[in-house]
Amino acid sequence: QQQVKQSPQSLIVQKGGISIINCAYENTAFDYFPWYQQFPGKGPALLIAIRPDVSEKKEGRFTISFNKSAKQFSLHIMDSQPGDSATYFCAAPKGGGKLIFGQGTELSVKP
Amino acid sequence: GAVVSQHPSRVICKSGTSVKIECRSLDFQATTMFWYRQFPKQSLMLMATSNEGSKATYEQGVEKDKFLINHASLTLSTLTVTSAHPEDSSFYICSAASVEGVTDTQYFGPGTRLTVL
Repeated sequence: QQQVKQSPQSLIVQKGGISIINCAYENTAFDYFPWYQQFPGKGPALLIAIRPDVSEKKEGRFTISFNKSAKQFSLHIMDSQPGDSATYFCAAPKGGGKLIFGQGTELSVKP
Repeated sequence: GAVVSQHPSRVICKSGTSVKIECRSLDFQATTMFWYRQFPKQSLMLMATSNEGSKATYEQGVEKDKFLINHASLTLSTLTVTSAHPEDSSFYICSAASVEGVTDTQYFGPGTRLTVL
C-alpha cells in the first residue's frame, strides 16, 4: 500500500532522445507526485510535481504524465542532454508530510 | 528561494565518537524537517521527522538513542550520531517543508558524507 515502484533501474539515452522513467503506486489516496533529480554527492532537487486532478504537466523539457486508473505516473525528458545525466527519484506522500521514494533511475545521456 | 544548507558537507571521525550535523532553512521557516540516509546506489531512507519545539518521531528500526535530533527553531535542526561506528558511514540528507509552502513539498539540503573509521 505504501510502496512506489520505479523502473527502469538504469537508462542510457542518446543526446537529443527522449528519456522515460516510470513509477507505479498502490495507495489510491496519494495526492501528490513529485520527481527529484540528484547528482552524485548532492542532495535531491525537486524537478517537477503533479497532483491527480490533471493528467499531464509540462515544465520546459520535463513532462509528468499521470494515469490515475493505472496508478502510474511517468517522467519524460525531451531532447535529453548530457547535463541531464543524474539519478531520478519519484515519490509519493506517506502522510504527515513524509514522502516515500522510488528505487531511483540512473540516467546516462550519451553525447 | 527554498534553500536548505547542511554543515559539514563531509566529516571523518573515529569509531566511538559523536558527530553533529546541522540543517538550516536559509530563506524560509520550516515547521518540519526530515532526516534521511542514503547508501551508494540506493534510494533515500527516511530516518526521522523533526518538528520545531517537539520530540522527533523516528521510523521503524531507527535507534532514537543513537540518532539524536533537535529542532530548536524554525530554521535549524540537528542530527547527532552518537558513538558512531563504521556501519553508520553513509550520506545523510535533511529536507525541510515550508510553513507556507505547498503541502508535501520538501526542499533538500546538499547532504553530509559521514565516514567512520
